Amino acid sequence: DAKTTQPTSMDCAEGRAANLPCNHSTISGNEYVYWYRQIHSQGPQYIIHGLKNNETNEMASLIITEDRKSSTLILPHATLRDTAVYYCIVRVGGSQGGSEKLVFGKGTKLTVNP
Amino acid sequence: NAGVTQTPKFQVLKTGQSMTLQCAQDMNHEYMSWYRQDPGMGLRLIHYSVGAGITDQGEVPNGYNVSRSTTEDFPLRLLSAAPSQTSVYFCASSFGLAETDTQYFGPGTRLTVL
Repeated sequence: DAKTTQPTSMDCAEGRAANLPCNHSTISGNEYVYWYRQIHSQGPQYIIHGLKNNETNEMASLIITEDRKSSTLILPHATLRDTAVYYCIVRVGGSQGGSEKLVFGKGTKLTVNP
Repeated sequence: NAGVTQTPKFQVLKTGQSMTLQCAQDMNHEYMSWYRQDPGMGLRLIHYSVGAGITDQGEVPNGYNVSRSTTEDFPLRLLSAAPSQTSVYFCASSFGLAETDTQYFGPGTRLTVL
């Protein structure tokens, strides 16, 4: 079972920031938070990941709370092409048991409106 | 690089038929895996491989076989198709299993078993 909880759906206006929350209250100290998205039944696409520090790349920012029990993915200027299902996943890294798989929940369906 | 490629894109089978879903990657990735996605659900891991000659079961392996004779290819075999195997199948690959090793997904194969 997925170790994360996300809202089923969210809406965002084009050009505005999209803030997608994720709850992972049972996360272990060695587990990372990953975000993937899936656009219209295509293969999932990696967005960003982090352990405990906030992270930013060309696609998004990831804010992880100090207790690591929740996080927020931020798309700073959402476009229509960002309409997708966004998955928040926790996973151990490296050679630790369980690192071989990504456990996907049902994700959040983000709709960006014109 | 073509990335992760999957063939065929669509397939219809009758119950009891066999077939092989093909997956190939040209990124010299050691890790490859197969997921299935059912309507409204997240992806579930079927089988994975951490290198040529090495395979292991994931969350839902029953009814599927895999082999990894080369680094590039990771075919998924359905020996006797059942309607419960109607799904979208995604292949993924990554350099390794470290937390920084991004998993790349193929475009998917949509399989219907009648």
